[in-house]
Amino acid sequence: GDSVIQMQGQVTLSENDFLFINCTYSTTGYPTLFWYVQYSGEGPQLLLQVTTANNKGSSRGFEATYDKGTTSFHLQKTSVQEIDSAVYYCAMRENYNVLYFGSGTKLTVEP
Amino acid sequence: DAGVTQTPRHEVAEKGQTIILKCEPVSGHNDLFWYRQTKIQGLELLSYFRSKSLMEDGGAFKDRFKAEMLNSSFSTLKIQPTEPKDSAVYLCASSFWGGDAETLYFGSGTRLTVL
Repeated sequence: GDSVIQMQGQVTLSENDFLFINCTYSTTGYPTLFWYVQYSGEGPQLLLQVTTANNKGSSRGFEATYDKGTTSFHLQKTSVQEIDSAVYYCAMRENYNVLYFGSGTKLTVEP
Repeated sequence: DAGVTQTPRHEVAEKGQTIILKCEPVSGHNDLFWYRQTKIQGLELLSYFRSKSLMEDGGAFKDRFKAEMLNSSFSTLKIQPTEPKDSAVYLCASSFWGGDAETLYFGSGTRLTVL
């Protein structure tokens, strides 16, 4: 069945470090892919989305590349800041409006 | 504009009790979702409504979990009877299918603890 895999459960970086979070997906269709971010005490919120394969999405300094060949959708940021500390979820939408989420990556950015 | 409102923020129940969680979606939204969030499993879909009709109910959750939409602006999630393994954060989300369809707006969640 459809699934989204995030292997990195936790990532700890220092300010101005480069961030790269890996996500792979499995589906028979043509999904739209998303990254959601969840700050402490809040629900997840949309960070960015990419509708078309082999395209990039960007928002607030974050960038994501949707690679249909490798069925991967990575999130990256050149220089992270302490305020970026949060949990990041990769998600996939294929049918209707239902999102299937990965297990999340907790990012901690130390000053 | 009000976002998604969930009540209560915290709920503590004894094993075997019945609990009801509430959700008010964003006004005008026609899709509503219930998700369960745990550290191990992440976000798992419990139920999905479109215009108050149940479109999908997470198969593994059918026996003790029941979501309803009494009207377009109110939904409940009933867990009966509760078990300690149900301890989690329950998130409600809504969106408008046909407009900005890709964005789900989440509430802040209800943290359920079952003793």
